[in-house]
Amino acid sequence: EVQVVESGGGLVEPGGSLRLSCVASGFTFNDYSMNWVRQAPGKGLEWVSAITSTGDYIYYADSVKGRFTISRDNAKNSLFLQMNSLRAEDTAVYYCARGAITFDYWGQGTLVTVSS
Amino acid sequence: AIQLTQSPSSLSASVGDRVTITCRASQGISGALAWYQQKPGKVPKLLIYDASTLVSGVPSRFSGSESGTDFTLTISSLQPEDFATYYCQHFNSYPYSFGQGTKLGI
Repeated sequence: EVQVVESGGGLVEPGGSLRLSCVASGFTFNDYSMNWVRQAPGKGLEWVSAITSTGDYIYYADSVKGRFTISRDNAKNSLFLQMNSLRAEDTAVYYCARGAITFDYWGQGTLVTVSS
Repeated sequence: AIQLTQSPSSLSASVGDRVTITCRASQGISGALAWYQQKPGKVPKLLIYDASTLVSGVPSRFSGSESGTDFTLTISSLQPEDFATYYCQHFNSYPYSFGQGTKLGI
């Protein structure tokens, strides 16, 4: 059974940093591109970042470019999102999602709250 | 960046109704569009990709079509479990993006 499980969310002050993790199982992790997608409370979905299967190519939404860094460790079936210079508008549930073009498996998400 | 505009933002319908949701792309995306369903407190579920290809296991009452930069999701006969929020998503090129969502209520 395919599973992706996020962790690392929490409350952080504006300007602070947080590192999210996602551990995958039930599929060959290093065969797949992975993504982070977020959803602010009561709002819609926003694609945040993607990384190809080998990590050779990385992409970001304009809203996070220069502040967030995506990475992966294929030996540990893990995906990461380092978030720096956090703003109130980054408050959201962050989902880890599998896929290069569409997202067929999603984790349950981890909540990031940016507030003083 | 490509923007997707969904209409309507919300929609009220009844069981058995035929419902259509539209997603308009700000430029041509060559059919690189997917549709997702999200129920309250749940993660999004992929329904359709490549504008009109149904994901395995998705009921045949769901269908998608494309006309230029306009894409439609049609539910032919609404069932109680279809009341949810629907999102379109393009994958023509990075950065990917989602439409703002259409909430389908009773």
